[in-house]
Amino acid sequence: DAGITQSPRHKVTETGTPVTLRCHQTENHRYMYWYRQDPGHGLRLIHYSYGVKDTDKGEVSDGYSVSRSKTEDFLLTLESATSSQTSVYFCATTARGNTEAFFGQGTRLTVV
Amino acid sequence: DQQVKQNSPSLRVQEGRISILNCDYTNSMFDYFLWYKKYPAEGPTFLISISSIKDKNEDGRFTVFLNKSAKHLSLHIVPSQPGDSAVYFCAASANTGNQFYFGTGTSLTVIP
Repeated sequence: DAGITQSPRHKVTETGTPVTLRCHQTENHRYMYWYRQDPGHGLRLIHYSYGVKDTDKGEVSDGYSVSRSKTEDFLLTLESATSSQTSVYFCATTARGNTEAFFGQGTRLTVV
Repeated sequence: DQQVKQNSPSLRVQEGRISILNCDYTNSMFDYFLWYKKYPAEGPTFLISISSIKDKNEDGRFTVFLNKSAKHLSLHIVPSQPGDSAVYFCAASANTGNQFYFGTGTSLTVIP
């Protein structure tokens, strides 16, 4: 099991405020991903990174930005949170881009 | 547009019987397929995978079948156990890609 830690695990924030979620891994995996899970939609990719400072958009990237300044850390930022961003967010890592991913335990974000 | 589809949101099976979870995909470039299992309040965990060069892969009670011409895969669990009750996601990727596409999930309940 890859050591993947997400923080915080739960957060309630107000509409319009910035929010940053953190993902930390100890496995030195090259690829890191942020997904959101919503009822009826499964897991949808927000952004991913294929190396330090190398990131790309996923299918639901609007309203989100990411940064990866170190191999072990991948940050997801909601610049101005909206109620539609209430969701459970999962970070994942893979050693290679198309192999099985290891997931963190998730962050439940509520925007009120 | 959903490239990976799981058309059954839920499935109930008696303990000891076979559970069959289905998944369809639309992108003919997908060549690697995975199944993940997710318990409430936890991240998904990898269960089993199959490459497009095979049509079957088995791991203990879990078998994945791939029908490339039909763009369909299925997960068989035999015999089903109450601890198998979880949400199951299928996912697909292309060898040339860096990301996975997930289905919407099937919630399996195994009745003791």
